[in-house]
Amino acid sequence: DQQVKQNSPSLSVQEGRISILNCDYTNSMFDYFLWYKKYPAEGPTFLISISSIKDKNEDGRFTVFLNKSAKHLSLHIVPSQPGDSAVYFCAAKPDYNFNKFYFGSGTKLNVKP
Amino acid sequence: GAVVSQHPSRVICKSGTSVKIECRSLDFQATTMFWYRQFPKQSLMLMATSNEGSKATYEQGVEKDKFLINHASLTLSTLTVTSAHPEDSSFYICSARDQGTQFFGPGTRLTVL
Repeated sequence: DQQVKQNSPSLSVQEGRISILNCDYTNSMFDYFLWYKKYPAEGPTFLISISSIKDKNEDGRFTVFLNKSAKHLSLHIVPSQPGDSAVYFCAAKPDYNFNKFYFGSGTKLNVKP
Repeated sequence: GAVVSQHPSRVICKSGTSVKIECRSLDFQATTMFWYRQFPKQSLMLMATSNEGSKATYEQGVEKDKFLINHASLTLSTLTVTSAHPEDSSFYICSARDQGTQFFGPGTRLTVL
């Protein structure tokens, strides 16, 4: 049962343009959401997070938007850079289990120079 | 962010041998660490939650006698893959929770011949 879904396995964007990565979830008890970036043969690196009490969180070029009614979150990268090319995972945590994170299957972003 | 290390980064072993992977939180104490497994082109699958000073909590379908977890201190958790077989070949990643966020180690590539 995939509670966090990333329906786009890959995304290709031109350098300087905006990258939008999407994530959908089914569990209304999720209260904390995160985005991770992963290079091949490395562990995921934490990028940005958002609590369910907010609908937007911004950190430099990265902005995460949360739409609770649609159970949807997105990560915007502006402007995109070639170094952003990686696999991006979204993750969610339920309010009833502080330790358990559910991960999406990842979206591979390719930023073309 | 918090730093988590893993050792070794890569290991090749013969079928039937046991392999130990270490996970350390370098700049914080972690009462809880997590072990994940990632198959190619798939999401991170939580294997078990490692609790300092007590038994690990295993996810459904994960053999606790196959994947031994020891969390002897607030900065170290170990995963031992016992009697490894080729189907155990995978990328194993640990993480540790610092406040509300999980930080991941760089991962260990296990290849069982």
